[in-house]
This record gives sequence, structure tokens and C-alpha cells, in this order.
Amino acid sequence: ETGVTQTPRHLVMGMTNKKSLKCEQHLGHNAMYWYKQSAKKPLELMFVYNFKEQTENNSVPSRFSPECPNSSHLFLHLHTLQPEDSALYLCASSQVEASGYQETQYFGPGTRLLVL
Amino acid sequence: AQSVAQPEDQVNVAEGNPLTVKCTYSVSGNPYLFWYVQYPNRGLQFLLKYITGDNLVKGSYGFEAEFNKSQTSFHLKKPSALVSDSALYFCAVRDKGGSARQLTFGSGTQLTVLP
Repeated sequence: ETGVTQTPRHLVMGMTNKKSLKCEQHLGHNAMYWYKQSAKKPLELMFVYNFKEQTENNSVPSRFSPECPNSSHLFLHLHTLQPEDSALYLCASSQVEASGYQETQYFGPGTRLLVL
Repeated sequence: AQSVAQPEDQVNVAEGNPLTVKCTYSVSGNPYLFWYVQYPNRGLQFLLKYITGDNLVKGSYGFEAEFNKSQTSFHLKKPSALVSDSALYFCAVRDKGGSARQLTFGSGTQLTVLP
């Protein structure tokens, strides 16, 4: 195990549902990430939190809403999703130095999301 | 801008034979380079990285990668493949001096090791 856990591992939801994905890292890192992995496509970085502050939002639709209450926990709140949002959602963490140097990212097992 | 290419979607190799998974990159400065592996229904696992120093980097599970600056490549290699090496492999790059502060991943190469 990498020290990054994600729950739930599988999720099926309708387009009108609201659900949340949870990520927890036990590595003492100060940065956390959400990625979307769709079949036959490169990993898409969605959000980045450094020191609990959101530093990047790569043009992600507002139906995805991240929350980072502390450096160990990261949530992705989902509402009114579309079928094309079905994918594997991966969480990662790393240590980022004040200079901006970023150590290796460590990934959780992912949440497999199916939107009906 | 930084980018990475994995030119092969699929690589097949017989067990016991050497394997190579190719990766080329593009950055404006010097690169940080990474290889990750993903087994079915799992997240990405870190294999190895190049930051600076020796061009040949050794990583987990007997894998190694060679940084070639002139060819802008960072191919992943293993002298003798195992069936258990069958997985999806991702190369990633970050430009040390660029404005992008995050990793860019390739589209992945599915490695199948045949018994």
C-alpha cells in the first residue's frame, strides 16, 4: 500500500444524485491532487491543493467541487454529473518545498465511478 | 510547454526476454522524469525517477530507465520479463524551469508478458 486511501472504491450514481469521494494520506505530505482517468486517455489533473490552499483548477466543470479541510484529507463533491464523467478518480499526495520543488506523487487505489 | 509521448499503446514480450517501454518528452529546460505502473483496479505505483546525476536509474521490481538528453527519451527497461510485470505503464515529466508546476503524464503503454 502507498499510504493513500480512497473511499468508496466503487460508486454508481444517477445524474441527479449528490455524492462525495474521500481521500486520506498517511505520509505527512502537504499537497494533494485529484486526477481523472478515462479509458484510452492520459491522466487529467483536476485539482491541486498545496498547504490546504487550492492552487490549480484545470478547467473542471462546477459539478465537481473539491474540499481540503486539512493536509491529510481531500474530498471531491459530485452533483448533477453526466454519463461522460464515468471514470476512475485518483487521489495523490506529495511533499512540495517552499521553492516549488515537488517530490514524487503517491497515488491511492482510485474510485471507479459510473454515472447512469 | 511540457509534453510526454508513449508511442506504443501495446507491447508484447515473452517471459524471460528483455522488455523496453518507450517514452519521449519535450520540455523547455531540464526534466524531472518518472515511471509509474498501474495494475488492474489499482492506482498508480511509483517505479523510478530521474532528477539529476547518473543517466541510468534503477527502480523497483528490477526495472531501470535510461535518460538520454540528446534523444529526449527515458525508456523503461528490464532484462528479463515476468508474467507478473503485465500492467499499464505511464511515463511522466515535469519541466524543472518551466511555469508548469505539475506532472504531465503520457497516455500509457499496456505491457503483456506472455508465458
